[in-house]
Amino acid sequence: QKEVEQNSGPLSVPEGAIASLNCTYSDRGSQSFFWYRQYSGKSPELIMSIYSNGDKEDGRFTAQLNKASQYVSLLIRDSQPSDSATYLCAVNFPGNTPLVFGKGTRLSVIA
Amino acid sequence: KAGVTQTPRYLIKTRGQQVTLSCSPISGHRSVSWYQQTPGQGLQFLFEYFSETQRNKGNFPGRFSGRQFSNSRSEMNVSTLELGDSALYLCASSLGVEKTQYFGPGTRLLVL
Repeated sequence: QKEVEQNSGPLSVPEGAIASLNCTYSDRGSQSFFWYRQYSGKSPELIMSIYSNGDKEDGRFTAQLNKASQYVSLLIRDSQPSDSATYLCAVNFPGNTPLVFGKGTRLSVIA
Repeated sequence: KAGVTQTPRYLIKTRGQQVTLSCSPISGHRSVSWYQQTPGQGLQFLFEYFSETQRNKGNFPGRFSGRQFSNSRSEMNVSTLELGDSALYLCASSLGVEKTQYFGPGTRLLVL
């Protein structure tokens, strides 16, 4: 069973803090991982992808991947109220399978 | 480069009718995936097409069907609409082998 698990939240953080979003997945052989942001009533928007163990930084966002632990996370530094959204984790499992999405974590940044 | 486009953006239908939704992928993308999203639910995978062939199919009844054309544009059809089909229908395109997906704005369907 190919599963992607995320805490549904809401995760509330104060403005300026670091928000940490976590995702676990079921197959250690998975190769590529994606984070999307979805504002209420809008479509998901790609934030970043990560393929190798370790950290990948893009502006205020850092994705962290640990394949041995089957864990991928997204850190948002200096969180802003405009970061309030649902964050979706997606995993490309081995084989001819579609991208599998978690149900998302709702983040609320409090001003 | 233009993004993924979906038409129509909004649609109101009544139970029993059928509906066709259209998706034009990013230029050069050969794969199109469709998802259904209802309030409080995650993305429910419908189908994935690559080079006019259905590559994967989700767990939806046969009333949901789709196809992809030679120019990579895709359509999905829902026949005999039910109230529970009211949802945001999202299309995403990718190069194909590379799985990074880019979403269109969605079609919001309301079934009365």
